[in-house]
Amino acid sequence: EAAVTQSPRNKVAVTGGKVTLSCNQTNNHNNMYWYRQDTGHGLRLIHYSYGAGSTEKGDIPDGYKASRPSQENFSLILELATPSQTSVYFCASGDAGLGGWEQYFGPGTRLTVL
Amino acid sequence: GDQVKQSPSALSLQEGTNSALRCNFSIATTTVQWFLQNPRGSLMNLFYLVPGTKENGRLKSTFNSKESYSTLHIRDAQLEDSGTYFCAAESTGNTRKLIFGLGTTLQVQP
Repeated sequence: EAAVTQSPRNKVAVTGGKVTLSCNQTNNHNNMYWYRQDTGHGLRLIHYSYGAGSTEKGDIPDGYKASRPSQENFSLILELATPSQTSVYFCASGDAGLGGWEQYFGPGTRLTVL
Repeated sequence: GDQVKQSPSALSLQEGTNSALRCNFSIATTTVQWFLQNPRGSLMNLFYLVPGTKENGRLKSTFNSKESYSTLHIRDAQLEDSGTYFCAAESTGNTRKLIFGLGTTLQVQP
């Protein structure tokens, strides 16, 4: 029933390794987003997408790439993971609501980079 | 966190009491969302607001765009209301991104 799912839910990676976080939504929303949540910073936008084939930089894109191969799937890629990327990552999908875009979040992925 | 300021940062309530959380915005925004992050970490949608007021059970939220603030009122607080409440402003323009406050952590005591 969950409309936005993420995998893996927990991940331990080594510095310099490649990490791919996956997100799937069954809401048929055009927009998808990746955020990270850190103490003292709240949630911050990394990348977002308007639809299949589109990726846009958010507020903190450095060190991250994104891929939107289909309406349903949006991946966040860390080519060379660093300890500073240890965080909880949330994916969201969004659709037009009353005068704006309401977003719905996945359960989060806890990433630890050693 | 500077563009969306939440207060208080932490709050402890006795079961059955009422309280209000507040968000002040220093950016132009057309809509506001309120979320509850439960102890497991999931973000649950509470309200999606254009200027005006919405109510859902024991929760009521108001967004005043002219004075750039939003409030979330909790009536008859229950233990399951515990968690961190986030407000988020939708930025104007094409990105449709949310700018989050730092949250209010609520602990409801029996």
